[in-house]
Amino acid sequence: SYELTQPLSVSVALGQTARITCGGNNIGSKNVHWYKQKPGQAPVVVIYRDSNRPSGIPERFSGSNSGNRATLTISRAQAGDEADYYCQVWDSSTWVFGGGTKLTVL
Amino acid sequence: QVQLQESGPGLVKPSETLSLTCGVSGGSVTSGSYYCSWIRQPPGKGLEWIGYMYYSGSGSTNYNPSLKSRVTISVDVSKNQFSLKLSSVTAADTAVYYCARGRIQGYYFDYWGPGMLVTVSS
Repeated sequence: SYELTQPLSVSVALGQTARITCGGNNIGSKNVHWYKQKPGQAPVVVIYRDSNRPSGIPERFSGSNSGNRATLTISRAQAGDEADYYCQVWDSSTWVFGGGTKLTVL
Repeated sequence: QVQLQESGPGLVKPSETLSLTCGVSGGSVTSGSYYCSWIRQPPGKGLEWIGYMYYSGSGSTNYNPSLKSRVTISVDVSKNQFSLKLSSVTAADTAVYYCARGRIQGYYFDYWGPGMLVTVSS
C-alpha cells in the first residue's frame, strides 16, 4: 500500500514562512491535497490538486509537488495557522493520509 | 451549503457492532459526483480512511484493507443519508468518526461532518 511521510512537527516564527513536506514514492505523479485541523474540529482542505486554494483560504497558503515530495508553504505565519496539517492522495481507489504535522507558531 | 452530521451511540461494548449514520443536507447522496466516505481518528492520532460508497443508480463500495472484513457502508436514498457498520469492535476502535464527501473530480474531501467520538468500553 502507498505510504505518505510527514515530519511530526514544524516550528515557525510569527510572520515567517513555514514549509511542511509530504514524502511518497513518485508522489509528483499524483494529486496531493492538504488539510488543516484545529483541536476538536474536523479537517478543512486548504490546498487541493497540488496547488489550488479553495475559496476562503488565504493566498498565504500555497502548494507544490514534484518528484518524491510535496510541500505546503505558509507565508507570513500567523497564530491562527497553528494546527495539525495532513497531506492526502488517492491511490489504487483508496484514500491515503500522511501521519500529520503539528505546526507551532512561535 | 452542504452539511453533514454524524449520529449514533457514543458508547459501544467490546465485540459488538458500531453503527453510525451521516445525514446530508444541501446535496444528494445519489448525485453520482461524490463518494460517501467515513474516516476516523483515534485520540491523539492521525486520520484513517475507513471506506466509501459511490452511489449512481447502483452502489459500489471500497474499504480500507485493514478493516475490510468488519466494515459495511450503505446508503439510504429515501432519507438522504449513509451509514457505517463496524463489527467486532475492540478498544482500538475508539475514535472520532467523521463522515465526509469525497469529490470524484480531484479525489479530495470537500465537506466533513463535525465528527463523533465513539468509545468502546464495557
